[in-house]
Amino acid sequence: KAGVTQTPRYLIKTRGQQVTLSCSPISGHRSVSWYQQTPGQGLQFLFEYFSETQRNKGNFPGRFSGRQFSNSRSEMNVSTLELGDSALYLCASSGTGTGAEQYFGPGTRLTVT
Amino acid sequence: KNEVEQSPQNLTAQEGEFITINCSYSVGISALHWLQQHPGGGIVSLFMLSSGKKKHGRLIATINIQEKHSSLHITASHPRDSAVYICAVRSVETSGSRLTFGEGTQLTVNP
Repeated sequence: KAGVTQTPRYLIKTRGQQVTLSCSPISGHRSVSWYQQTPGQGLQFLFEYFSETQRNKGNFPGRFSGRQFSNSRSEMNVSTLELGDSALYLCASSGTGTGAEQYFGPGTRLTVT
Repeated sequence: KNEVEQSPQNLTAQEGEFITINCSYSVGISALHWLQQHPGGGIVSLFMLSSGKKKHGRLIATINIQEKHSSLHITASHPRDSAVYICAVRSVETSGSRLTFGEGTQLTVNP
C-alpha cells in the first residue's frame, strides 16, 4: 500500500495570505489527523476528520480549518497567515478500529515571511 | 505541567551502548506511542502500547499503566539510531485518534 502523502512539501507565503495543504491517507483509512510542529511548542494537535466529519479539534484559532472529502483525502486551510504559523504541518491517517495505529505523512514545511 | 513528560531531553551515546528514554504521563490513556523523527521531519511510528512490553529488533518498549510510565530501550545502539524520539498518548477522555506529545528526546549516537 502507498503511504500517506502530503502536498506540497514546501511552501513560502507572505503574512496575510492564505494557504491550503493537502493530505491523502493510506487507502482504506477513514481517519485523518493534522498536527503542527514548531521548535517552541513541539507537536500539537490541530483537528481530526473521520468520514467527512470533524471528530476532534485542538486549541487553535478559527483561522485554521479543515475538511475531508468522500475519498478520505483531507485539506487544511490557514487564512490570514501570521509569522508564527511557520511550521511543519503533518497529517496522519488511521483505520477504523479502536486503537488503530497512526501513519504519518512526510509533512509540509510552511514558511511565512 | 505538561501531560506528557520525557527524559532526558538530550542524550549522547557511543555506538554499542544500551539506551533508555523515559516517558511519564498524567492522564488516563487508551494507548501510548513511541515515534521516531529524523532530520527532514518524517515521523515513523515505532510502537503502540496499551500494556506490557513490545520488542522489534533492537528496540524494546515497556509500559506500566499503574505508574503512568513508559520506557523505550535501544540495545547495541548505532549511529543510524540518531534521531528525535517522541512519546505520545491517546487519552481516554477524547474519542478518535487525537495524540498529546512529549517534547522529544534528541539522541545522538557517535561511532
